[in-house]
Amino acid sequence: SYVLAQPPSVSVAPGKTARITCGGNNIGSKTVHWYQQKPGQAPVLVIYYVTDRPSGIPERFSGSNSGNTATLTISRVEAGDEADYYCQVWDTSGHYVFGPGTKVTVL
Amino acid sequence: QVQLVQSGAEVRKPGASVKVSCKASGYTFTNHYMQWVRQAPGQGLEWMGIINPSGDRTNYAQKLQGRVTMTRDTSTSTVYMELTSLTSGDTAVYYCARDLGIAVAGWGLDSWGQGTLVTVSS
Repeated sequence: SYVLAQPPSVSVAPGKTARITCGGNNIGSKTVHWYQQKPGQAPVLVIYYVTDRPSGIPERFSGSNSGNTATLTISRVEAGDEADYYCQVWDTSGHYVFGPGTKVTVL
Repeated sequence: QVQLVQSGAEVRKPGASVKVSCKASGYTFTNHYMQWVRQAPGQGLEWMGIINPSGDRTNYAQKLQGRVTMTRDTSTSTVYMELTSLTSGDTAVYYCARDLGIAVAGWGLDSWGQGTLVTVSS
């Protein structure tokens, strides 16, 4: 089955840019989605289909995907962005696959 | 607005089964695929499976094949997930989630239930 890799943690100062990577074999050919999950809450979709934002998600959240790496970028990071972030792909087998998650800490 | 309301917490003994429900409202239930995702304590998200809008096709994660069954009742806009032969490794919060796509899957999960804690303990 398809395997995704994410860094366990990313630290960023307020106002700076956080980049969270999601690695997978030829992931650039797949549709990638990103979720934010805060403690005790259900996940929230922040990016779908690589670059699209659901309504209500700030423009500070953006996505890209090429080659073997997809990236979620959070610009002008705020304290409220501190959370776990998961990438997800739709596999050709008709399954979703989640990455292991990245904990974003705002310094 | 879209709402997914799940049934309450459950405690089961090893070897038992559990069935979790998820009642949808605020949208056309038969337009969207539904999925189940679980999260063990302190762990990441694990995709469990998917059921199509009419409820006649499912696709399950390989590690759960043979133990999980997903169904849906269009008359009550409710989806169900039943997991059998429970072990302590099945202790987790179980989420239902709606696929964003209209009559297609793979667009991301845009609405989630509040989660149901299933505890397996002797």
